[in-house]
Amino acid sequence: QKEVEQDPGPLSVPEGAIVSLNCTYSNSAFQYFMWYRQYSRKGPELLMYTYSSGNKEDGRFTAQVDKSSKYISLFIRDSQPSDSATYLCAMSGQDSSASKIIFGSGTRLSIRP
Amino acid sequence: GAVVSQHPSRVICKSGTSVKIECRSLDFQATTMFWYRQFPKQSLMLMATSNEGSKATYEQGVEKDKFLINHASLTLSTLTVTSAHPEDSSFYICSARDFVETQYFGPGTRLLVL
Repeated sequence: QKEVEQDPGPLSVPEGAIVSLNCTYSNSAFQYFMWYRQYSRKGPELLMYTYSSGNKEDGRFTAQVDKSSKYISLFIRDSQPSDSATYLCAMSGQDSSASKIIFGSGTRLSIRP
Repeated sequence: GAVVSQHPSRVICKSGTSVKIECRSLDFQATTMFWYRQFPKQSLMLMATSNEGSKATYEQGVEKDKFLINHASLTLSTLTVTSAHPEDSSFYICSARDFVETQYFGPGTRLLVL
């Protein structure tokens, strides 16, 4: 079993829709949760960073962490064609078992105009 | 957000030559930098963790003599692909970690070995 599971997609939605991207994980020591966006042939760009459980909102993006279920989500409201990219979740912790940042495999998202 | 630069962005070389890629954190000091490799439509594969002033830690299956890493300062790490072969052609991405435990990625270097 992988430490972090992420549906690779591709996920295709019409412009303006709400997008939900998710990851599950197995290591309860993870405390830091991140979402990255990667456009084709570019390096990943940090979108959201969350510590422990709860929600965090930044513009059209909302990150949710449910540590009890070991489940994290990224919601994109009013999706735009420019949101088309691969989204990677990532997580780490202070415990020695979680000292490295572990990435999900990424979900390819396509927003149809 | 923090900025990480990489140079060059693209390089083409002949088989058997060595290629050096630089990774710089521009507005913060990074005690730890990471080097990743990414094949088309695949996720990031961690190659090694680079700590300033000490030897890099390589992931299983990564040849340390082929992928030389130097982290001479808190803002610069270099990856040298020695005696490059066509199978080394890939997208190489570095990242730098700040004190908040997040990683910031460089724009990547596309290596093509002929």
